[in-house]
Amino acid sequence: DGGITQSPKYLFRKEGQNVTLSCEQNLNHDAMYWYRQDPGQGLRLIYYSQIVNDFQKGDIAEGYSVSREKKESFPLTVTSAQKNPTAFYLCASSKDGAQETQYFGPGTRLLVL
Amino acid sequence: QKEVEQNSGPLSVPEGAIASLNCTYSDRGSQSFFWYRQYSGKSPELIMFIYSNGDKEDGRFTAQLNKASQYVSLLIRDSQPSDSATYLCAVKATGNQFYFGTGTSLTVIP
Repeated sequence: DGGITQSPKYLFRKEGQNVTLSCEQNLNHDAMYWYRQDPGQGLRLIYYSQIVNDFQKGDIAEGYSVSREKKESFPLTVTSAQKNPTAFYLCASSKDGAQETQYFGPGTRLLVL
Repeated sequence: QKEVEQNSGPLSVPEGAIASLNCTYSDRGSQSFFWYRQYSGKSPELIMFIYSNGDKEDGRFTAQLNKASQYVSLLIRDSQPSDSATYLCAVKATGNQFYFGTGTSLTVIP
């Protein structure tokens, strides 16, 4: 069963805590992406990676970090430096190519305690 | 800054009518155009993509692209209550990066 999985579905963060959101895909896609979505807003790009061991900052990278050690995995860490982390986090992937489509995982909703 | 603009709505149409959703983009180098549907609390799902000028039909959905005007639209014929959702327009520029509009909220009234 091919697809993108994200875990956990809900995540609670305490003040000053770092938390890591998991994203795994078995679609053999080269590119992976992390977006943040706030209520009533569009998608804002946090980080993206086009190849293993390489990634680029998106529009709102401050307070976040990523790694891409395996093609299948692209975890996102929300650090304590991110002062307003409450949002819906979406992971996506796509093949390399101008006409390739981006597919989304089910999302992780992060809430601050 | 590459921008994708959508009318945020809300757009309301009666059941069985045609819903028309519009999107403009700023980057003339954009190559591919996508429409996603997002239900409340869920992730976006792809419903249409278009690369060439003109119309592309898939069931009740038609995507229209006019690169000269930097305009892409989505028509939903015979709208159903299950079509009620937010529709996101996305544009793919060079380098595998996607740019999203803020979405148009559609409500189909039974």
